[in-house]
Amino acid sequence: DVKVTQSSRYLVKRTGEKVFLECVQDMDHENMFWYRQDPGLGLRLIYFSYDVKMKEKGDIPEGYSVSREKKERFSLILESASTNQTSMYLCASSFRTEGNQPQHFGDGTRLSIL
Amino acid sequence: AQSVTQPDIHITVSEGASLELRCNYSYGATPYLFWYVQSPGQGLQLLLKYFSGDTLVQGIKGFEAEFKRSQSSFNLRKPSVHWSDAAEYFCAVGAHNQGGKLIFGQGTELSVKP
Repeated sequence: DVKVTQSSRYLVKRTGEKVFLECVQDMDHENMFWYRQDPGLGLRLIYFSYDVKMKEKGDIPEGYSVSREKKERFSLILESASTNQTSMYLCASSFRTEGNQPQHFGDGTRLSIL
Repeated sequence: AQSVTQPDIHITVSEGASLELRCNYSYGATPYLFWYVQSPGQGLQLLLKYFSGDTLVQGIKGFEAEFKRSQSSFNLRKPSVHWSDAAEYFCAVGAHNQGGKLIFGQGTELSVKP
């Protein structure tokens, strides 16, 4: 089975801090994704990456950046955390870039910005 | 543009009763369709997927879904719901030439009455 591991289940940070969320997958997947999930809004794509050092903006990239230095690891960075970034963050990976590939999800990081 | 609509935000069914969760999509060609389930505090787990062929697909945990092109629907069904099925359910669509991105519906929360 595919394993997608997010480094923290719960995280509390302060406004203005630089925050790193880490995600690792163990199945040599090409694609990796970061979503945020908020009640009533479903999953919204922040950024995705289809190869090492490659990244594409999703629907809500403002205030975020990403890093993919190795194929198995995809990091989400909050450059200067704000309270409106309090949310559940989900990482996912998929095998290839075709649309018929299911995404495999980590357990999520619940981030609170105080 | 592609979109996915789950008309029901919250559904309550009695244990042992049948279940149908609705999903409608908007896409010009035959889409790739997925249903995911999210238990509280967890990531998303793939229930089933449809790409082509038989329009009735079987998934895990006793779920099935039927693709109806004429109605642009992909409804999820289960003949007899168990208390452990209480969770949030997401329908998603993937498309050709979209880099492996999925578009998610807003989710339907299922509650199960004893």
